[in-house]
Amino acid sequence: AQTVTQSQPEMSVQEAETVTLSCTYDTSESDYYLFWYKQPPSRQMILVIRQEAYKQQNATENRFSVNFQKAAKSFSLKISDSQLGDAAMYFCAYVYNNAGNMLTFGGGTRLMVKP
Amino acid sequence: GAVVSQHPSWVICKSGTSVKIECRSLDFQATTMFWYRQFPKQSLMLMATSNEGSKATYEQGVEKDKFLINHASLTLSTLTVTSAHPEDSSFYICSASSQINQPQHFGDGTRLSIL
Repeated sequence: AQTVTQSQPEMSVQEAETVTLSCTYDTSESDYYLFWYKQPPSRQMILVIRQEAYKQQNATENRFSVNFQKAAKSFSLKISDSQLGDAAMYFCAYVYNNAGNMLTFGGGTRLMVKP
Repeated sequence: GAVVSQHPSWVICKSGTSVKIECRSLDFQATTMFWYRQFPKQSLMLMATSNEGSKATYEQGVEKDKFLINHASLTLSTLTVTSAHPEDSSFYICSASSQINQPQHFGDGTRLSIL
């Protein structure tokens, strides 16, 4: 079975600085997708970034980028120039092609941003 | 694009009442919809997967007769919590995807409080 692990229950970053959230996963599949979702206090789930496993290039979305290490099964999220609005729960998620789009979520990391 | 509407956002009702939660994809056809439950400070727990026109697939430990799911059209799925009790109080979130390997788009969630 696939598992997703986020080893940092909480992280803290100073406004304008950079923070990296860790995620590891376990799978025997070779073709899959990885996601980072943000859940602010409003509890809406917002897609932050997506990575296809067959792509070697790391995905980026403005201040958000990932470090995808397929061999190590690691998928970390880097947030640059942190803003107060980045404070939220962040969930790493995995889906493989034949799973009918069923996501497997990590336990989440609560990110606090200090002004 | 890719908006998912969930209604109601918050419901409070007496023990023994049945509560229906709606999940609608507003601008795309959702072949698959997912229902999650989230306890405070925890990750999302998948309850069931529903495909339009067929019976929902429930995760282990989720009572089918307790949580009735209907996916009668490509834009609407409903979750009915039957004879709700205080232990059913939780945050329920739906998501939808238009096709395989496309990101899931989440509704804003429903906070269910059973007195």
